[in-house]
Amino acid sequence: GAVVSQHPSRVICKSGTSVKIECRSLDFQATTMFWYRQFPKQSLMLMATSNEGSKATYEQGVEKDKFLINHASLTLSTLTVTSAHPEDSSFYICSARGRQGGHQPQHFGDGTRLSIL
Amino acid sequence: DAKTTQPPSMDCAEGRAANLPCNHSTISGNEYVYWYRQIHSQGPQYIIHGLKNNETNEMASLIITEDRKSSTLILPHATLRDTAVYYCIVRVAFSNAGNMLTFGGGTRLMVKP
Repeated sequence: GAVVSQHPSRVICKSGTSVKIECRSLDFQATTMFWYRQFPKQSLMLMATSNEGSKATYEQGVEKDKFLINHASLTLSTLTVTSAHPEDSSFYICSARGRQGGHQPQHFGDGTRLSIL
Repeated sequence: DAKTTQPPSMDCAEGRAANLPCNHSTISGNEYVYWYRQIHSQGPQYIIHGLKNNETNEMASLIITEDRKSSTLILPHATLRDTAVYYCIVRVAFSNAGNMLTFGGGTRLMVKP
């Protein structure tokens, strides 16, 4: 089945650091990738949608200058949390869909647990 | 996308069938029903989806009522590794890739020995 790889799986860093998370589709071309955030004991919340070669679309309340998304190729999207602070500590998850669209399911990465000290 | 309602939690004995219900009474004719699960500290895992016919794969069966206002995910022989949060999501299928999944609270299934 389709595989989405996310890296790193866990990051611990100091406040003020910028952190980059990579999301790769390993066996299909992902025209669209989605970035979610999940706080403890809560459900996944969509942060932004990125289409290959175009600017990401951010959900209301998500700062585009803080959460930089790049989707430069059909197999790679990156999320950079700039100047991270403790309140940005969360579980970040990406998902991807192939160009066939329709009713085909999205596939998710295993998430990145970000802890800001 | 139509809203779904799931019980917040359920228990199931190991080896028995787990039947997870989902209500989606406002579902429209072009919306599919998707099921995902999330095991602790992992990303969501796709299980199964369907439009109006019942579906079965190696993981589970999906039973959709004739009026499509509710569905049931069946794990035929639950194991301890099936302990997870199960999400029922309804979504319109577009001809072009692009629409996201909206996650509700899901059902926390606890499989007990």
